[in-house]
Amino acid sequence: KAGVTQTPRYLIKTRGQQVTLSCSPISGHRSVSWYQQTPGQGLQFLFEYFSETQRNKGNFPGRFSGRQFSNSRSEMNVSTLELGDSALYLCASSFGGRQETQYFGPGTRLLVL
Amino acid sequence: DAKTTQPPSMDCAEGRAANLPCNHSTISGNEYVYWYRQIHSQGPQYIIHGLKNNETNEMASLIITEDRKSSTLILPHATLRDTAVYYCIVRVGRDDKIIFGKGTRLHILP
Repeated sequence: KAGVTQTPRYLIKTRGQQVTLSCSPISGHRSVSWYQQTPGQGLQFLFEYFSETQRNKGNFPGRFSGRQFSNSRSEMNVSTLELGDSALYLCASSFGGRQETQYFGPGTRLLVL
Repeated sequence: DAKTTQPPSMDCAEGRAANLPCNHSTISGNEYVYWYRQIHSQGPQYIIHGLKNNETNEMASLIITEDRKSSTLILPHATLRDTAVYYCIVRVGRDDKIIFGKGTRLHILP
């Protein structure tokens, strides 16, 4: 079974631009969660989508948004990029029940100049 | 805040068993303990999880104390490829979030 895939793998943007990242979950998984990883803050939860609805949200500004499509694929958007948004963005998928195991993708590394 | 406490780093000789401890003294009765590892700049890799009983799979064993306040991940025969940051996680709250702590950086010594 194919794992979680994320595109693109690497991205360079400049301040003020916006970016959209994509995540395709494992087949059959209906939940997709997004995380940001930086050297200073570690791995932080952004939000989770389940059946096209945002189910959980972390403590990030409104510039960070997401959506999920009917095939469970998810996109994450960051508007008005800041230098501090440079990070590894990870998505994880699961079947969506409580305490279900989440499986992570390889991540998208975003560099904001 | 993470609900788990781990040592920041550990060394283990290649070929020996690596025993990684984790404290989760505030764990609730129905919360699982999960272990993931992250090899440099890759996505975290699921290793194992457990509730009360000890668990074993092809990667590792998980020993959970009877009071469930701590657990130990055991890599039976550590290799250089096991060098990674290991995260012990308890899902928190009604919304079941994964909160990552700082993890343990495991160094495998040749």
